[in-house]
Amino acid sequence: QSALTQPRSVSGSPGQSVTISCTGTSSDVGDYNSVSWYQHFPGKAPKLIIYAVSDRPSGVPDRFSGSKSGNTASLAISGLQAEDEADYYCFSYAGSYTFVFGTGTKVTVL
Amino acid sequence: EEQLEESGGGLVQPGRSLRLSCAASGFTFDDYAMNWVRQVPGKGLEWVSGISWNSGNKGYAETVKGRFTISRDNAAKSLSLQMSSVRPEDTALYYCTKGRGGGDRLRDWNSDLWGRGTLVIVSS
Repeated sequence: QSALTQPRSVSGSPGQSVTISCTGTSSDVGDYNSVSWYQHFPGKAPKLIIYAVSDRPSGVPDRFSGSKSGNTASLAISGLQAEDEADYYCFSYAGSYTFVFGTGTKVTVL
Repeated sequence: EEQLEESGGGLVQPGRSLRLSCAASGFTFDDYAMNWVRQVPGKGLEWVSGISWNSGNKGYAETVKGRFTISRDNAAKSLSLQMSSVRPEDTALYYCTKGRGGGDRLRDWNSDLWGRGTLVIVSS
């Protein structure tokens, strides 16, 4: 039950697209379609932006999209905006009612 | 307004016990799974434990399994985390979170409401 692996940081200019990877194992990401993504501004509560790999809660812009291939899930942000600058964490079911977060990725808008 | 308020944090010596509590308000508490998530200041999020709406299903991170016990009192709208044999690496801000459903579906365990957290410091 190790933390899922994410890049420490990604960056892009306004309007560009960025993708954050989340690599787990065949016991978590690879075995279940239960990957979520949270957006976290320091000092604020994390916000769920993607669940069940690719579903968006109501109110989340469609600029955010999720996908999964094998043991790696991905979050794509298109049309990057200044307000997207935050930390992003993936979250996956790992079996037997246990869950695991990713290591976190800081998105910087240049 | 939906709210979660944690309490019980503080300074505790290694090997001792501590009990965290979370008071819920503004929603039907017994409809939802609940979680504890912790974060070392400046570090990432770590899921600690979760419990389904009726306490029928519980899970623990490997780092706390056998030492921490999660429980809930639906009548009192309260969630608890009994921490035993605490270690310096348990030092963190502990958040109580509300799931999106009762826990019958995996998507239910995602958190859509977070408390402000209670700080636990394990040190001699």
